[in-house]
Amino acid sequence: RKEVEQDPGPFNVPEGATVAFNCTYSNSASQSFFWYRQDCRKEPKLLMSVYSSGNEDGRFTAQLNRASQYISLLIRDSKLSDSATYLCVVRVWNAGNNRKLIWGLGTSLAVNP
Amino acid sequence: NAGVTQTPKFRILKIGQSMTLQCTQDMNHNYMYWYRQDPGMGLKLIYYSVGAGITDKGEVPNGYNVSRSTTEDFPLRLELAAPSQTSVYFCASGPPGGGGELFFGEGSRLTVL
Repeated sequence: RKEVEQDPGPFNVPEGATVAFNCTYSNSASQSFFWYRQDCRKEPKLLMSVYSSGNEDGRFTAQLNRASQYISLLIRDSKLSDSATYLCVVRVWNAGNNRKLIWGLGTSLAVNP
Repeated sequence: NAGVTQTPKFRILKIGQSMTLQCTQDMNHNYMYWYRQDPGMGLKLIYYSVGAGITDKGEVPNGYNVSRSTTEDFPLRLELAAPSQTSVYFCASGPPGGGGELFFGEGSRLTVL
């Protein structure tokens, strides 16, 4: 089982739709969680951190479910510019007692006119 | 504010050649990382550094070397380039603590023929 798993998609949605992605993680010692977006042939950029209580930034809402070990990203009122790959990132303690970032393979979103 | 700057953006190498990918950041971040991303694949950590003079291997360090003589610079050296090193290389930096809030350079596309 991969440490961080995402549905690769692609998710094809019309403009204005609401779309949600999930990301599951296997290490119960995971500490911190993040969503990044990566446009085609560009670098990843931090979209938002995911807090235990859930957090919202405009049209984007992130949730954490520690019991079921998954995080989610909800995008409301999708825009064409939301088309990208969304990467889930989990920070864990590794065997050497150091922090380690584990990257998911990403979920591809295409918002259509 | 330049952030993280990588050079070169593109490079074609012949098998067996060597080269250095340059990375510099102006945010005074302690943590710096080198990742590679193959088409359709996730980010794989090559090397990372928690501060000047300190480097450590990531998941895929073979065929690469790094140094960190200053806080700002974290060059990646490819020795004896092989076709398997054809990839997009991203340098990233992050604040103290090794959190998941990373800032990436625009990437260096390397082709080994």
